[in-house]
Amino acid sequence: GQNIDQPTEMTATEGAIVQINCTYQTSGFNGLFWYQQHAGEAPTFLSYNVLDGLEEKGRFSSFLSRSKGYSYLLLKELQMKDSASYLCAASDSNYQLIWGAGTKLIIKP
Amino acid sequence: IAGITQAPTSQILAAGRRMTLRCTQDMRHNAMYWYRQDLGLGLRLIHYSNTAGTTGKGEVPDGYSVSRANTDDFPLTLASAVPSQTSVYFCASSRQGEDGELFFGEGSRLTVL
Repeated sequence: GQNIDQPTEMTATEGAIVQINCTYQTSGFNGLFWYQQHAGEAPTFLSYNVLDGLEEKGRFSSFLSRSKGYSYLLLKELQMKDSASYLCAASDSNYQLIWGAGTKLIIKP
Repeated sequence: IAGITQAPTSQILAAGRRMTLRCTQDMRHNAMYWYRQDLGLGLRLIHYSNTAGTTGKGEVPDGYSVSRANTDDFPLTLASAVPSQTSVYFCASSRQGEDGELFFGEGSRLTVL
């Protein structure tokens, strides 16, 4: 079956760095996506990886290892506004997104 | 620029009633989707449309129907609502069906009693 695993909740301190991990099993693979969702709001696109390696975009970076079925989202210089849920999604052979349940990130001052 | 507009924002509905959630996009995207989001679960695809005039079933299509008469509109209908359909419903769009960068509406919170 197809499956995405990510931690349910993480806590970090303002100004620090946090890494949110995601493992996936899909029938075929056409890329790994990260979305941010603030409470009560819609998800918004953060990043896309299809090749192995690190993609950096400002304070956020995303890493992919296709051989390990593994990705992480790295958030640097954490700000209070980064408190949100982070959704990992993998695109399967039919280009359908398989979604994880999301990781709720709590930022403490 | 509105992006994707959903209506209603929230609704309380008696079981057995018919309900249509509306979704309109102004980005001229080819693909549109309906997801439901429930606590502790990932987004689950209900129905999708890769282009106007075509629709497909997602992971959880039972009890729901959609139509795609034109590029902009993608309504979701619950023919006879049941309590298990209580959820937050998100409409989304992407430039093409193969594109995983989705743009979401603000969601419709539906409660079926």
